[in-house]
Amino acid sequence: AQTVTQSQPEMSVQEAETVTLSCTYDTSESNYYLFWYKQPPSRQMILVIRQEAYKQQNATENRFSVNFQKAAKSFSLKISDSQLGDTAMYFCAFSAGGTSYGKLTFGQGTILTVHP
Amino acid sequence: DAGITQSPRHKVTETGTPVTLRCHQTENHRYMYWYRQDPGHGLRLIHYSYGVKDTDKGEVSDGYSVSRSKTEDFLLTLESATSSQTSVYFCAISADRAAPLHFGNGTRLTVT
Repeated sequence: AQTVTQSQPEMSVQEAETVTLSCTYDTSESNYYLFWYKQPPSRQMILVIRQEAYKQQNATENRFSVNFQKAAKSFSLKISDSQLGDTAMYFCAFSAGGTSYGKLTFGQGTILTVHP
Repeated sequence: DAGITQSPRHKVTETGTPVTLRCHQTENHRYMYWYRQDPGHGLRLIHYSYGVKDTDKGEVSDGYSVSRSKTEDFLLTLESATSSQTSVYFCAISADRAAPLHFGNGTRLTVT
């Protein structure tokens, strides 16, 4: 079974600064995917970024990037130039590939607050 | 936004009553999932579907059943609701076994 751990229950950052959210996971799978989802107060689950384990290059989406350390089983999310709209709960999630794809295991989440 | 509609958005029901939640998608995606979200647990998989009439159990399936008679609709049924099923329920869809998962806006269910 897979586990996903987010060790930071809460984080805060000043607007325009950079913040990094941590995530570690444990798996024996070789084919898998990692995700970061954002959940603002509206409750919507928004996909921020996705990483395929077989890709060595770290995924990026505009101000969001990941630091994927496969050997260390670490998958951190960096948010650059933080904006007030980034205030949300952030979830790290794992999915094995193949026939197990889509059966996500989530971490417990990190509440991020961006201060003006 | 992916075309996913969950209904109802909120529901309050009494213990022992049956409840059905609906997930409707307009993307023609093959794969659909039901998750529940509780404080301290993140989201956990209840049931999933790989196509019409092709469903299977997830991590927390006890007390729930699902049906998928059409590609666009995935129904989650609580046969006899209990207070432990008070939660926020999310539906998710994906086009294939490597595509991103997109979630609906959730249904908040309260069982009194």
